[in-house]
Amino acid sequence: QKEVEQNSGPLSVPEGAIASLNCTYSDRGSQSFFWYRQYSGKSPELIMFIYSNGDKEDGRFTAQLNKASQYVSLLIRDSQPSDSATYLCAVFNDYKLSFGAGTTVTVRA
Amino acid sequence: GAVVSQHPSWVICKSGTSVKIECRSLDFQATTMFWYRQFPKQSLMLMATSNEGSKATYEQGVEKDKFLINHASLTLSTLTVTSAHPEDSSFYICSVQSPTSEDLDTQYFGPGTRLTVL
Repeated sequence: QKEVEQNSGPLSVPEGAIASLNCTYSDRGSQSFFWYRQYSGKSPELIMFIYSNGDKEDGRFTAQLNKASQYVSLLIRDSQPSDSATYLCAVFNDYKLSFGAGTTVTVRA
Repeated sequence: GAVVSQHPSWVICKSGTSVKIECRSLDFQATTMFWYRQFPKQSLMLMATSNEGSKATYEQGVEKDKFLINHASLTLSTLTVTSAHPEDSSFYICSVQSPTSEDLDTQYFGPGTRLTVL
């Protein structure tokens, strides 16, 4: 069983729509959760981190965490063509990050 | 967030040669740095955790004699790929872990080094 699983893509959304990305993790003791964005050929850049159950909003991005369900999600509101990228979910435990396989998002103009 | 640099950004070498990649933490002293490898269309895989002043901790399946890591100062870690072969061609990325409580456990990544072994 993979430690971090993401919904398979690619995900195509029209400009202005909401993109919804999901991630589940296997280690119930995990405490820190991250979403990174990675453009093709580039390294990952941090979008958000979330530590507590509930929602966390930052601009057009909202992360949601449910530790009981071992589930973390990312919503991108008012999607823009510049949001087209691969989104990586990462979970921190045992002093290191474990990454999901990523979900590629394409925003259609 | 932290600012991390890597050098070189890309390198092409012949099979059998060694390649050194540098990772620098530019705005704080990093006692711990991480090295990842990413193959095309795949996610990041942690290779090793680099600890200043001590030996690196390698992940299972990563050959420590092939991927030499040196963390000689609080701002510099190096990864040397020894006797590189075409299957070592990959995107190598380092990261540093934030020292602040506001973004605890957060890792910030360098721009990566693309290695091509001919």
